[in-house]
Formats: sequence, C-alpha cells, structure tokens
Amino acid sequence: DTGVSQDPRHKITKRGQNVTFRCDPISEHNRLYWYRQTLGQGPEFLTYFQNEAQLEKSRLLSDRFSAERPKGSFSTLEIQRTEQGDSAMYLCASSLRQVRNEKLFFGSGTQLSVL
Amino acid sequence: DAKTTQPPSMDCAEGRAANLPCNHSTISGNEYVYWYRQIHSQGPQYIIHGLKNNETNEMASLIITEDRKSSTLILPHATLRDTAVYYCIVKGGTSGSRLTFGEGTQLTVNP
Repeated sequence: DTGVSQDPRHKITKRGQNVTFRCDPISEHNRLYWYRQTLGQGPEFLTYFQNEAQLEKSRLLSDRFSAERPKGSFSTLEIQRTEQGDSAMYLCASSLRQVRNEKLFFGSGTQLSVL
Repeated sequence: DAKTTQPPSMDCAEGRAANLPCNHSTISGNEYVYWYRQIHSQGPQYIIHGLKNNETNEMASLIITEDRKSSTLILPHATLRDTAVYYCIVKGGTSGSRLTFGEGTQLTVNP
C-alpha cells in the first residue's frame, strides 16, 4: 500500500454516461498526477496539480475530461459522455515537489469499462 | 524528453541477478534516469534514479555509463515477486514534472 487511494477500483458504464473518479493522495504531498493506461501500454500522462492549481494538461485530454483538486488535497477526474475508447485504467499519483528527487507514488488505479 | 529503448522481455532465474538494460542516447546533461516497475494489476512503483553516478538502494542498483547514453538496472537476487514490467524513464529538462512511460521490459523470474 503506497498511501494513495483511488475509488472506485472498478467502474462499468454505458456509452454516453458521465463517470467520476476520486483520488486521495498521501497527505503531505503537494503534487497530484493523473495517468491513463491501456492494455499492453505504459501509462500516459493526462494532467497534474500543484496544490490546487492545475499546471499542465496533456493534449490527449479532450474537453470531455475535467479534473479538479479544490482544496489541494483529494482530486476528482470526470469523463463526460463516455466513449468505448475511454476504457482504460486511470491511475493517480502523488509526490512532494523536489527539484532533483521527485518520486511519484501511485495508487492501484480505477479500471473503467465502457460498454 | 530523451527517448528510451528497452528490450520487450527478459527472463531470469530465481536467486540470480537480473540486469535490465536501457538505451537513452539522446539524453541531455540535466536529465535524470528513473526506473519504475509495475506488477500486474498495481500502479507503478518507484525503484531508483540517478544523474551520472552509480546508485544503490535497498531495492536495486543503477549503473549509468560514463557517456550517459545507456544504463542498467540490477536486481541482485531476483525473486518471483520481482516479476513485473520495468520502465526506464528519462526526466528533466523541458519535460517539467511529467514522467513519460514507454512500453518497458517484461521481466519474468522463473523458479
């Protein structure tokens, strides 16, 4: 257990529905990342926050995706109007901002299946 | 970020050293080499990182060549629990904080 919690672990939804995932990082960590991973591929960066500010978003992140970290603690990732191509593992990671020694701690992910 | 090249798969006998290579010939001077691994159904786990000196911790050793164009992750006494996908990542420079994962090396430790 890394200390990063993700909920739910599994989500099955129908195409066109909205889904929301939650990530609780390690409490003292000020950075929070979201990644997406499909079968056989490495994780793809989606976005990250430093405290409550969203500092970077991947061009992969379409306008159907939105992420928030309202109080600089937990974060949510929402996907609107889900498509079958959104089926993937969504991973959250947290870290302490450090210039040379930043280590990411990942949660176990939320597996999304869009039918 | 510099691109990395890793073999897609490797095998190792339990109790023997596992040596996982990584090429990063376009690495720049301020970029670090990081290694993570991912055991099936779990998120990636940090192993070790380095800039130009060899590094060792409780999990592994990292050997970086003098020209920094390649590195080797060494698991000194591999166990069955070390079976995982191992990712070599170069980070720093203009990448900001993101880690860019490739496809990694599937290491299978055999009894």
